[in-house]
Amino acid sequence: EAGVTQFPSHSVIEKGQTVTLRCDPISGHDNLYWYRRVMGKEIKFLLHFVKESKQDESGMPNNRFLAERTGGTYSTLKVQPAELEDSGVYFCASSRGPGGAGVYEQYFGPGTRLTVT
Amino acid sequence: RKEVEQDPGPFNVPEGATVAFNCTYSNSASQSFFWYRQDCRKEPKLLMSVYSSGNEDGRFTAQLNRASQYISLLIRDSKLSDSATYLCVVNGGGFQKLVFGTGTRLLVSP
Repeated sequence: EAGVTQFPSHSVIEKGQTVTLRCDPISGHDNLYWYRRVMGKEIKFLLHFVKESKQDESGMPNNRFLAERTGGTYSTLKVQPAELEDSGVYFCASSRGPGGAGVYEQYFGPGTRLTVT
Repeated sequence: RKEVEQDPGPFNVPEGATVAFNCTYSNSASQSFFWYRQDCRKEPKLLMSVYSSGNEDGRFTAQLNRASQYISLLIRDSKLSDSATYLCVVNGGGFQKLVFGTGTRLLVSP
């Protein structure tokens, strides 16, 4: 079974430009999550999709960030316009559904390292 | 105060040693608990879920104390390959979003 994949692995853009990150979840996983780690900080939640619907977007920092999951398969996260503080590693994760004891085990992709200069 | 607190370490131990990591969480509504392992510049990998009764997977044992809001991970017979950062992770109080600690770094030496 293929894991979560993300593209690109690295992106370097200038302040004010637009970047789109892509995540392909594990096949059959309805739940898809975006997280971010900025330098020196812990990994923080951004949002959660169930199929194509946004279940929780409480972690989205501002309206420069737009996430979509058309058709309930892959997801994109667009940052427009990018600011210096958006630099960090963006992780995507997916889960199938509640497993034992109602636990949703999330599996992470390799991340996209975004540098805004 | 951080929602999930961990000692950042590093913990330096020789091969074969037993090492224990602790973690506390602040949200009493959290329902799911995990330990993830993260190697340098890699993604977090699920090591184990932590259940109320405690659970063991080979050399790894996890314990949960809901009353004290405390989670632990015990690694026995440490291997060089156990060197990594261990992330204590809880769900955000009834929601699926995960809340991460900053991680505890483990270095196992020959």
